[in-house]
Amino acid sequence: GAGVSQSPSNKVTEKGKDVELRCDPISGHTALYWYRQSLGQGLEFLIYFQGNSAPDKSGLPSDRFSAERTGGSVSTLTIQRTQQEDSAVYLCASSLWSSGRNEQFFGPGTRLTVL
Amino acid sequence: QQQVKQSPQSLIVQKGGISIINCAYENTAFDYFPWYQQFPGKGPALLIAIRPDVSEKKEGRFTISFNKSAKQFSLHIMDSQPGDSATYFCAARGASGSARQLTFGSGTQLTVLP
Repeated sequence: GAGVSQSPSNKVTEKGKDVELRCDPISGHTALYWYRQSLGQGLEFLIYFQGNSAPDKSGLPSDRFSAERTGGSVSTLTIQRTQQEDSAVYLCASSLWSSGRNEQFFGPGTRLTVL
Repeated sequence: QQQVKQSPQSLIVQKGGISIINCAYENTAFDYFPWYQQFPGKGPALLIAIRPDVSEKKEGRFTISFNKSAKQFSLHIMDSQPGDSATYFCAARGASGSARQLTFGSGTQLTVLP
């Protein structure tokens, strides 16, 4: 079956512009995560959705970052007034909540470059 | 505060050798410790994982050793192959009822020379 997909694969934008990044999780997965991976760094948690529960936004670095998940499936991460320090690879992952291992399956990421 | 510390940052091993990557954690509430493998341009993929009630888990050439008292765990890759060249991340996740996101180490770039 299809894995986690993300679009676009690459995004170049100018400082101050808004960007939207999309994630399509694996069908049937109830949990969805966004992470950020800066060059040479580990993955930094941003936000987590589980079913219809309120999202865990504890990792969002500023109020310029927001995310939504429509219909319990597709998610969009929005970054407003982008800054150069926002340049990174943004990774989405999904998992089955009921799975004891809670394995997170990652998408290929969106590479964001802010000029 | 970095909750999972990973070393080394980079590692070069000859084909057939043993690759060892170490991680240490601080949060005693962590109850699940996976290792992810990431190739350039791809998202991380789960390689092997362990829970704190066992001291070792082996899957093929990959072994996790876990030391609960020291709050350390390591990945051993036996008979390392050039195809193993990738970035490896250790991670940890909180216990049931707490946040389910993974906390990652900073990564180790492994190069296996032919």
